[in-house]
Amino acid sequence: GQQVMQIPQYQHVQEGEDFTTYCNSSTTLSNIQWYKQRPGGHPVFLIQLVKSGEVKKQKRLTFQFGEAKKNSSLHITATQTTDVGTYFCGPDTGRRALTFGSGTRLQVQP
Amino acid sequence: DTGVSQDPRHKITKRGQNVTFRCDPISEHNRLYWYRQTLGQGPEFLTYFQNEAQLEKSRLLSDRFSAERPKGSFSTLEIQRTEQGDSAMYLCASSPYRLRSSGNTIYFGEGSWLTVV
Repeated sequence: GQQVMQIPQYQHVQEGEDFTTYCNSSTTLSNIQWYKQRPGGHPVFLIQLVKSGEVKKQKRLTFQFGEAKKNSSLHITATQTTDVGTYFCGPDTGRRALTFGSGTRLQVQP
Repeated sequence: DTGVSQDPRHKITKRGQNVTFRCDPISEHNRLYWYRQTLGQGPEFLTYFQNEAQLEKSRLLSDRFSAERPKGSFSTLEIQRTEQGDSAMYLCASSPYRLRSSGNTIYFGEGSWLTVV
């Protein structure tokens, strides 16, 4: 079945530093979604990527889908304390497998 | 409010009791999903429906768990004879479904927290 790995599991940064999380799939994806979950909250949809090599930006967030559609990344420029939370990739809604990545927990120190 | 709603938001129950959670999806979404999440983990897929048909069930879903979506709108997730290991947040989500690969974004409800004591 589909396996989705996310790295790192945890990252602690100083406010203003950049942050990147990576999502790697064992199989080719038809699409990928990114979600953010604040402590005590529920996953909130951020973006969907569909095309090979696609890059999308939302203010300080940059999302990328790999050329082979087997990996994706989320990069945050100049982190702020409001970026604190866990970032999840997945799932591929074009397939029967509906697996989320294990998430990357971001802690931002003021 | 046009988002996914779940009820109850919190439930404390004694081991061995049955519990039922309800989910009302976004009205135009024909897919409905149930996930379970424990602290520090990502959402684990349990099952999903397309309209009233239950299309897939995870092997995580033991015989004590049953989900229904009788009219293709709201859904219920019942856990019978609860165990302490069932303590988790149960997330419902919904999405539209189109044949093309884009647009089938999953939107989550706020979750139902279950504590089994």
